[in-house]
Amino acid sequence: QAQLQQWGAGLLKPSETLSLTCAVYGGSFSGYYWTWVRQSPGKGLEWIGEINRDGSASYNPSLRSRVTISVDTSKNQFSLNLSSVTAADTAIYYCAREHTRCDSNSCLNWFDPWGQGTLVTVSS
Amino acid sequence: SSELTQDTAVSVALGQTIRITCQGESLRKYYASWYQQKPGQAPVVVMYGESTRPSGIPDRFSGASSGNTASLTISGAQAEDEADYYCNSRDISGNHKVFGGGTKLTVL
Repeated sequence: QAQLQQWGAGLLKPSETLSLTCAVYGGSFSGYYWTWVRQSPGKGLEWIGEINRDGSASYNPSLRSRVTISVDTSKNQFSLNLSSVTAADTAIYYCAREHTRCDSNSCLNWFDPWGQGTLVTVSS
Repeated sequence: SSELTQDTAVSVALGQTIRITCQGESLRKYYASWYQQKPGQAPVVVMYGESTRPSGIPDRFSGASSGNTASLTISGAQAEDEADYYCNSRDISGNHKVFGGGTKLTVL
């Protein structure tokens, strides 16, 4: 049973870079996409992006210019960098494992398990 | 605005049935997954695909999909089902994932 544990700085100043890391314990690191999701205070979930073990990444178009997701297969970890943060980036950030199944007609994706979440506050 | 649309809030009497919906054009091609989130907790998947329920999720949860709408039904809602529910799928391009805005379920 895979477990995800995440960590990173919880307080940033505007214009700094947010950096979070998520470690995967148990289960395979291969065959999945590894995802970051955030949730602003009192708001809904927002998909940030994903990466597989080969380093193939995809990002939310609204964040693409500031986001980098990387992977370290030697440690079974993946990381999120978000540059030039503002107060609007204040949120709980979650990492998650993404399952994908595709056939000739469609694809199905789901996220399980999730990390515990990290509250990142951007304030001067 | 999200490409997946959910009602902001719904309510159900204890023991009754409630259907939570998620609408979006991408759902005509891609399946949805559903997440339950209780205050202060990370989301938990409760349904994926047409109607696949992960182990540990009560069988009062069921799913369905038709056209541009995916739905999550709770038959015989319990007090512990009170939570926020989010749908997720791909966007219309198929290249990115997107969440619905979430539905707050109140069990009366």
